[in-house]
Amino acid sequence: GDSVTQMEGPVTLSEEAFLTINCTYTATGYPSLFWYVQYPGEGLQLLLKATKADDKGSNKGFEATYRKETTSFHLEKGSVQVSDSAVYFCALSDSGAGSYQLTFGKGTKLSVIP
Amino acid sequence: NAGVTQTPKFQVLKTGQSMTLQCAQDMNHEYMSWYRQDPGMGLRLIHYSVGAGITDQGEVPNGYNVSRSTTEDFPLRLLSAAPSQTSVYFCASSPTSGRSYNEQFFGPGTRLTVL
Repeated sequence: GDSVTQMEGPVTLSEEAFLTINCTYTATGYPSLFWYVQYPGEGLQLLLKATKADDKGSNKGFEATYRKETTSFHLEKGSVQVSDSAVYFCALSDSGAGSYQLTFGKGTKLSVIP
Repeated sequence: NAGVTQTPKFQVLKTGQSMTLQCAQDMNHEYMSWYRQDPGMGLRLIHYSVGAGITDQGEVPNGYNVSRSTTEDFPLRLLSAAPSQTSVYFCASSPTSGRSYNEQFFGPGTRLTVL
């Protein structure tokens, strides 16, 4: 079945540091890929997505590129802020007809210190 | 739009009690789902629905029931609560067509403790 593996945390960075959170996936078809963010005490929010190979999703300074050859969708940000402290989830949605389910990774907690 | 709303925000139950977690959305989304979030486990799908009158099981359905009588509402019922159901529960909805196809919108969650 489909699965998502993301780097384990927690990750602690200083403000303005470069961020990479690795995500790889296994899927039978051609999935859509997502990054969700969860701030403390809140539900998940969509951060960015990509629906086909070589697509780049971007939002709020975060970027991720859909790499079919390496089955990866790594999240990057050039300069993190304290306000980026949150848990980040990589997820996929299988492209099969009528399939709307998301398969999530286990999440990576990011703490940014001033 | 209120988006996805969930009630209650917090709940404490005793083993064997039953209760219903409420979920509603005002975006006319066809797809709705329930997840539980446990430390180190990510989010696991409990039940989902692709439209009114249609429901199906996810990865961890045991001990839970759902129904979908309207597009807007998707309640989750715990039949006989057990300590293993202590978790944070999230409801989500998604359009099934259009630009936001497959983008799931999440509610704020219900934190449930079963003693």
